[in-house]
Amino acid sequence: DGGITQSPKYLFRKEGQNVTLSCEQNLNHDAMYWYRQDPGQGLRLIYYSQIVNDFQKGDIAEGYSVSREKKESFPLTVTSAQKNPTAFYLCASSIARGPNEKLFFGSGTQLSVL
Amino acid sequence: AQSVTQLDSQVPVFEEAPVELRCNYSSSVSVYLFWYVQYPNQGLQLLLKYLSGSTLVKGINGFEAEFNKSQTSFHLRKPSVHISDTAEYFCAVKAQGGSEKLVFGKGTKLTVNP
Repeated sequence: DGGITQSPKYLFRKEGQNVTLSCEQNLNHDAMYWYRQDPGQGLRLIYYSQIVNDFQKGDIAEGYSVSREKKESFPLTVTSAQKNPTAFYLCASSIARGPNEKLFFGSGTQLSVL
Repeated sequence: AQSVTQLDSQVPVFEEAPVELRCNYSSSVSVYLFWYVQYPNQGLQLLLKYLSGSTLVKGINGFEAEFNKSQTSFHLRKPSVHISDTAEYFCAVKAQGGSEKLVFGKGTKLTVNP
C-alpha cells in the first residue's frame, strides 16, 4: 500500500538529548513537510523540502534540523536546543506545489520529555 | 501573509443534527481554501477544497463548504451528522500564485453524541 510511514509512534526524550523522528513515503512525492501540533494550536510548519538535497525553514525551525538525502525519506531531529519539544509531530508529502497540491499525512509521532 | 480563524474550538452536537463549523480568513491576495479532518491519533485527510468557480464545494462524507469572498469565510456544513464524524476539523488557506505555504487554523473539535 502506498503511503507515509512515521516511526516511532511514541518517543521519549531525556534532558539534553537529541532524538530523530523518521518519515518515509512511497508515493513518489517531491515535496515533504514536518508540522508540529500542540493542543488547541493547530499545525505549525517546522521545515519543508521540495526536492532532494534541498530544504527550507518553516515558521518554527529553531531547535530542529532535517535532511533530505533520498526522495523517500525526510527525518526530523529534535535537538537539545528545543526547550519545549513535547508535541505531536506530523509528516506530510505532496506531489507538487500549486493550487492542486494535496497533502498526504502520516499517523504522527507523539514526543514527550522524561 | 495569510491567517485563518476558526471561531469555535469545540462543537458538541447530537447525532442526525445539522452542523456548521465556522472559518474566516485574512489575506491581501486571492486564496485557495481547504478543510482537513483529523480522526483521533491519526494524521489529517483532505475533506474538500475551493480553488475557483462555484462557491459551493462538496467533499467526502457528505460535507460541503461555501466560499463567501465578501465575508472572507469558508464555513463547513453537514445536514445530518453521524457518531463517526467525531474528529477535529482544520480550515487552511494558501495564497494563489508562487510557492506559498498552507496556513492552518487552530482546529475545531466536533463531538457527535448519541
